[in-house]
Amino acid sequence: GAVVSQHPSWVICKSGTSVKIECRSLDFQATTMFWYRQFPKQSLMLMATSNEGSKATYEQGVEKDKFLINHASLTLSTLTVTSAHPEDSSFYICSARVFGQPQHFGDGTRLSIL
Amino acid sequence: QQPVQSPQAVILREGEDAVINCSSSKALYSVHWYRQKHGEAPVFLMILLKGGEQKGHEKISASFNEKKQQSSLYLTASQLSYSGTYFCGTEAMDSNYQLIWGAGTKLIIKP
Repeated sequence: GAVVSQHPSWVICKSGTSVKIECRSLDFQATTMFWYRQFPKQSLMLMATSNEGSKATYEQGVEKDKFLINHASLTLSTLTVTSAHPEDSSFYICSARVFGQPQHFGDGTRLSIL
Repeated sequence: QQPVQSPQAVILREGEDAVINCSSSKALYSVHWYRQKHGEAPVFLMILLKGGEQKGHEKISASFNEKKQQSSLYLTASQLSYSGTYFCGTEAMDSNYQLIWGAGTKLIIKP
């Protein structure tokens, strides 16, 4: 149980393109979903916390207009990287959890902007 | 505030033991341990809740000292498959569902 599906797993696109990443909890309804970014050899960096039906809470330094988060239901959250540039290239990971339970991670999306 | 993990990295031979520590300056509700292999998402190992507890399997176990706000992960008779980066995530009493991640401990197991 507790499976989180993230799609796509790998994206390569041209600079200026907007990219949407989906995160779904397949067999449970998540209290909260999280979006992380990870650079090579570094720890997970929380970008935003998302509760269903409400606006996402962004961490300091994360541009809200650049990284759009939509949390349409208890099982689906999306991250859209708008007008992506090479510096946005990274490994993006979502997670979902119910309070008091572990965070369950998606497999991650490797984003490469040319 | 980010929990402090130690050591930053450790190299072991197969069969040796390792201890990874995680400490926080905040009153914790829980400590979560994950292992991440290169290019993959973190994989959940175990969660320890306040009240102080110890849990795990025969070869991978952890303890949580609530008074000291410290947790330790014990890897016994390490196997090659244990290689990876281990992260602790701490959930404070006032965390609003967030886990704050340590910087990670890189574990390399050599045959």
